[in-house]
Amino acid sequence: NAGVMQNPRHLVRRRGQEARLRCSPMKGHSHVYWYRQLPEEGLKFMVYLQKENIIDESGMPKERFSAEFPKEGPSILRIQQVVRGDSAAYFCASSPRGQGLSGANVLTFGAGSRLTVL
Amino acid sequence: GENVEQHPSTLSVQEGDSAVIKCTYSDSASNYFPWYKQELGKRPQLIIDIRSNVGEKKDQRIAVTLNKTAKHFSLHITETQPEDSAVYFCAASQTGANNLFFGTGTRLTVIP
Repeated sequence: NAGVMQNPRHLVRRRGQEARLRCSPMKGHSHVYWYRQLPEEGLKFMVYLQKENIIDESGMPKERFSAEFPKEGPSILRIQQVVRGDSAAYFCASSPRGQGLSGANVLTFGAGSRLTVL
Repeated sequence: GENVEQHPSTLSVQEGDSAVIKCTYSDSASNYFPWYKQELGKRPQLIIDIRSNVGEKKDQRIAVTLNKTAKHFSLHITETQPEDSAVYFCAASQTGANNLFFGTGTRLTVIP
């Protein structure tokens, strides 16, 4: 099992460009979460998706950010017209289908994509 | 929503000593409390978790305690080793919730 795969690991963009970050969940996982980590800070929830559905985007900035998890292919976090404040590590995590009786979100994280905006 | 606070933000201990990291949470409905370890430049990895139906859980040198009444939980690492040096994050969640709420992290340094 390859785990949660994220790419690219490092991405450099100039202000105003677009950034696309990809995440393939663990095999058998159909729930994907995106978190942002600013330097020296904790993980902040951005969005939770299942296949073809955005379930919770309460942590996503209202403008320039979007996410999708198509029926086929990886989940994509898209940042349009990037600004310097978008520089951060973006982590994707996945969890198994359903919560089961335990009902807890046991998340497995990817290695992250580090975005640098010049 | 849930608010998780974590202390201290940095912690240095001598190799072999114990380390304790404390977290508080605000939402009494939270019932799942994982701890993640993040080494420099790497992914957060789950090291231990506890659910609200137990008060303590141990796994070798790591233990976690939970006080539901006071809404706080702690991570205890005994006989620390240099490879324990990392940032540790606590988190809280509840059944059916969409995400984990993370603390701000504790940077643990174990001095050889």
